[in-house]
Amino acid sequence: QSVLTQPPSVSAAPGQKVTISCSGSSSNIGDNHVSWYQQVPGTAPKLLIYENSKRPSGIPDRFSGSKSGTSATLGITGLQTGDEADYYCGTWDTRLSAGVFGGGTRLTVL
Amino acid sequence: QVQLQQSGPGLVQPSQTLSLTCAISGDSVSSNSVAWNWIRQSPSRGIEWLGRTLYRSQWYNDYAVSVETRITIKPDTSKNQFSLHLNSVTPEDTAVYYCARDAAVAGAFFDYWGQGTLVTVSS
Repeated sequence: QSVLTQPPSVSAAPGQKVTISCSGSSSNIGDNHVSWYQQVPGTAPKLLIYENSKRPSGIPDRFSGSKSGTSATLGITGLQTGDEADYYCGTWDTRLSAGVFGGGTRLTVL
Repeated sequence: QVQLQQSGPGLVQPSQTLSLTCAISGDSVSSNSVAWNWIRQSPSRGIEWLGRTLYRSQWYNDYAVSVETRITIKPDTSKNQFSLHLNSVTPEDTAVYYCARDAAVAGAFFDYWGQGTLVTVSS
């Protein structure tokens, strides 16, 4: 049972936009920045978004992040078949003094 | 460019100790602006943060409650690496284990990851 809650799956057509939600509590998302990761099966997670909305060098601006209260959202526009992957949100939990992650969302580009 | 190279056995017997090492290049285990973490992933538990070591004028460790009685994370400044030791393992500890750098000033985000090591706990 993950501390952060994500939908198990989302899907959309190529070229469309999709959003993935991540819900937490006052001790994690409500108190800390959120990060997002993309994971292709068999590889390590890759950082997509940090500090809620910042993109590391090399991440296209089709990927965006936002946070409001105890929830966060990852947005992906101009979907490509190469975006098919699992997406995870993560943050720090101040009460647990631990890193926490969501259960992951499988993105299918139809 | 930071690189993390993991090493260690892929098979551990039940009740024994799981030990993995993460060699760092392009950064220092003694950096006072990052933390060095161990994270694991399994189908049953998802992505699970296990713990971290960080240097802020002295060494600190934080561990997940789920493993805090069994885990030790140690820095090795002479080799610029850090290690994970998880004792009394059971088949539930079977997972892919990753080391990762956390570059957050506050909170956590993991910008560099090791390649992952599949560790199977079985006799």
